[in-house]
Amino acid sequence: EIVLTQSPGTLSLSPGERATLSCRASQSGSSNYLAWYQQKPGQAPRLLIYGASRRATGIPDRFSGSGSGTDFTLTISRLEPEDFAVYYCQQYGSPPWTFGQGTKVEIK
Amino acid sequence: QVQLVQSGAEVKKPGASVKVSCKASGYTFIDYYIHWVRQAPGQGLEWMGWINPNTGATNYAQKFQGTVTMTRDTSINTFYMELSRLRSDDTAVYYCARDKDRYCGGDCPFDYWGQGTLVTVSS
Repeated sequence: EIVLTQSPGTLSLSPGERATLSCRASQSGSSNYLAWYQQKPGQAPRLLIYGASRRATGIPDRFSGSGSGTDFTLTISRLEPEDFAVYYCQQYGSPPWTFGQGTKVEIK
Repeated sequence: QVQLVQSGAEVKKPGASVKVSCKASGYTFIDYYIHWVRQAPGQGLEWMGWINPNTGATNYAQKFQGTVTMTRDTSINTFYMELSRLRSDDTAVYYCARDKDRYCGGDCPFDYWGQGTLVTVSS
């Protein structure tokens, strides 16, 4: 099973700042089958990025994904008030599909 | 528009079973695999397995082998996830989620999610 480790656990930033979230895999999976989701309290997760760097439909271009192999990054270029949430990475290339433990982006 | 609408909250006793439904609409039912994911209170996301809506074939995470059963009813475009021998640590919100692309065979991220069903296991 591929274990995904996200860092930091919590990111305290102000609106307008840049957020950089990390996701490290315990082993290299199938291609770059790595996704990022955003989850707000009481809501289901929302797909942001797939294939490590492709934005899902309707996702603003301030969200970008990068990385390959075992190291991946989600960047939010300028935080908007609605971006404060928990973010999860997921690998879907090697069963069982697994998620990271999440990074909370909170208002400083 | 694509929608996955799940059944309501459940309270069960330890050792019992629960069956959660997920009704799909707005797309061709048999073209997209459905996954089940759970989230314990205050915790992260845990993948449970997928079902092929065309054949009914399933693939369960090893942790849930023997306790989870995923089925579908093509006549009413509805998926089901039944979890048996419930324990207190099965208390969680259970989500159904759809493969992003047609014919992906489960090897896709999840683009549409149900609203979640809270299952509480308590004596």
